[in-house]
Amino acid sequence: AQTVTQSQPEMSVQEAETVTLSCTYDTSESDYYLFWYKQPPSRQMILVIRQEAYKQQNATENRFSVNFQKAAKSFSLKISDSQLGDAAMYFCAYLSFGGGSEKLVFGKGTKLTVNP
Amino acid sequence: KAGVTQTPRYLIKTRGQQVTLSCSPISGHRSVSWYQQTPGQGLQFLFEYFSETQRNKGNFPGRFSGRQFSNSRSEMNVSTLELGDSALYLCASSSQVGSNEQYFGPGTRLTVT
Repeated sequence: AQTVTQSQPEMSVQEAETVTLSCTYDTSESDYYLFWYKQPPSRQMILVIRQEAYKQQNATENRFSVNFQKAAKSFSLKISDSQLGDAAMYFCAYLSFGGGSEKLVFGKGTKLTVNP
Repeated sequence: KAGVTQTPRYLIKTRGQQVTLSCSPISGHRSVSWYQQTPGQGLQFLFEYFSETQRNKGNFPGRFSGRQFSNSRSEMNVSTLELGDSALYLCASSSQVGSNEQYFGPGTRLTVT
């Protein structure tokens, strides 16, 4: 079974600075998807960024980028120019490729605080 | 396009009762998944439905059940509620099996007293 580990329960960053959230995972599969989801205090889970394991290029979405190290099974999220609205719980998640399942495996989350 | 909707948003029940939660996916989405979120266990997969068929089930007791209707709306039912069932229940929909994007609803906060 796949597992996802987020080793940082809480992180803080100053507004306009850069912060990196860590995620490691364990799997025996070669093809899969990885995601970062954001859950603000309002609770609506929002997809931040996704990465297909077969793509070597790291995904980027505006101020959000990932460092995907497949061999190390590491998938970190970098938030540049942090904004107050980035404060939220961030979850790393794994999805098997194909197989007809939409089951996401989540890490425990990292609570990000953005200080003005 | 309307997002995923869940009703009710908040619910208070007593031990031993049963509860039904509803989820309406994004129009055109045929896959619906349910997750339980608690402070202790985090986000745990409950089950997934596609075209009215349960395709996958998480490690939860048989008190947790679900179904999906022909219009893709889904319900989950918890019978004989226990205090430990207090949680945020999240529903997510996607357009097709194998789609790599799931869209989440706002959740139903269930409190069992």
